[in-house]
Amino acid sequence: GQNIDQPTEMTATEGAIVQINCTYQTSGFNGLFWYQQHAGEAPTFLSYNVLDGLEEKGRFSSFLSRSKGYSYLLLKELQMKDSASYLCAVTSGGYNKLIFGAGTRLAVHP
Amino acid sequence: KAGVTQTPRYLIKTRGQQVTLSCSPISGHRSVSWYQQTPGQGLQFLFEYFSETQRNKGNFPGRFSGRQFSNSRSEMNVSTLELGDSALYLCASSRDYNNEQFFGPGTRLTVL
Repeated sequence: GQNIDQPTEMTATEGAIVQINCTYQTSGFNGLFWYQQHAGEAPTFLSYNVLDGLEEKGRFSSFLSRSKGYSYLLLKELQMKDSASYLCAVTSGGYNKLIFGAGTRLAVHP
Repeated sequence: KAGVTQTPRYLIKTRGQQVTLSCSPISGHRSVSWYQQTPGQGLQFLFEYFSETQRNKGNFPGRFSGRQFSNSRSEMNVSTLELGDSALYLCASSRDYNNEQFFGPGTRLTVL
């Protein structure tokens, strides 16, 4: 089967750094996506990792270790607008079947 | 470039009825995937269409069906609605597989 685990909730302070972890167990792994979803809105793409290592994109970075079934999303210089749910999703077996984790609700406080 | 559009945005139906939701992908995108999002189950994959063919299907009953037209627009249909079908239905488009999927705003379905 397939299983994706992420923390349910996290809190952080404006200007700080936060790391959201994701562990997965899946057969035929292809890649791992991170999406951001604000309440009442559609998910928006943040990053896609296929190979091991760190991908940096502005204030957001994502890391993948395929051998450990582990990824994290790193958010730097947190802003109030970063308060949202962060969804980890994997694709396996080809095509576009995204298997999502339950999401991590991040609350950024002043 | 216009994003993914979904119609209608909100829908209220009663048990036993059927519903059809529509999704127009980003121009040039040939893959359309459908997802159901509920507070209890999160985001769950329904099915994916590419060039009018269903390429992949999630674990939903046969009451959930879909199709894709030659212009890549897609529809999903839910027959014999149940209370548990109340959810946000999202479609996502991409160029092909393992590419970034762009989500539409969703259709919020309420079944009374």
